[in-house]
Amino acid sequence: DAGVIQSPRHEVTEMGQEVTLRCKPISGHNSLFWYRQTMMRGLELLIYFNNNVPIDDSGMPEDRFSAKMPNASFSTLKIQPSEPRDSAVYFCASSRLIRGTEAFFGQGTRLTVV
Amino acid sequence: GIQVEQSPPDLILQEGANSTLRCNFSDSVNNLQWFHQNPWGQLINLFYIPSGTKQNGRLSATTVATERYSLLYISSSQTTDSGVYFCAVEHSGGSNYKLTFGKGTLLTVNP
Repeated sequence: DAGVIQSPRHEVTEMGQEVTLRCKPISGHNSLFWYRQTMMRGLELLIYFNNNVPIDDSGMPEDRFSAKMPNASFSTLKIQPSEPRDSAVYFCASSRLIRGTEAFFGQGTRLTVV
Repeated sequence: GIQVEQSPPDLILQEGANSTLRCNFSDSVNNLQWFHQNPWGQLINLFYIPSGTKQNGRLSATTVATERYSLLYISSSQTTDSGVYFCAVEHSGGSNYKLTFGKGTLLTVNP
């Protein structure tokens, strides 16, 4: 299996621009998670989906952040408009079930907002 | 929410040395995983170990769920073992089905 695939690997954008991060989960996995990693806050969950349905988005920092999962093999995390404090590494992860099963992470997208 | 504490925060070893990393958690868990974040930032799965003992080459892990801790053993360390080791748990009593991460142990293995 190819694992969780994220794109792009690196993104540099100007403040105010829209940013879209993409994720393809492992085939057959029903749950998908978006995490953000910063030096200050470590790894924190933003939102997760089960069977393409958003279950909990309480970790999404602001209305500028939105996430979708139109089908079982694709998810996006969008930031509009982006701000310098959004600079972080964004990870997507998937697991076979929503709980009690191993989660696998993508390689991450390093976002820099200047 | 569940609390996850890892120790030590930093560890410096000479190549060939052994080490033990610890993860304490504050409540019962459905899932416990150990990850290695390499210098390129990639999170690599080491163990899925909500209970019991597992071994994979030079690495092994033990989770004692009733006492709420897990240990990761690294034997005959190599420079490629350098990086941050994270413990992450899923709270069994919670309604949030998420992994909560500890702050990690930064391991540096010198040649």
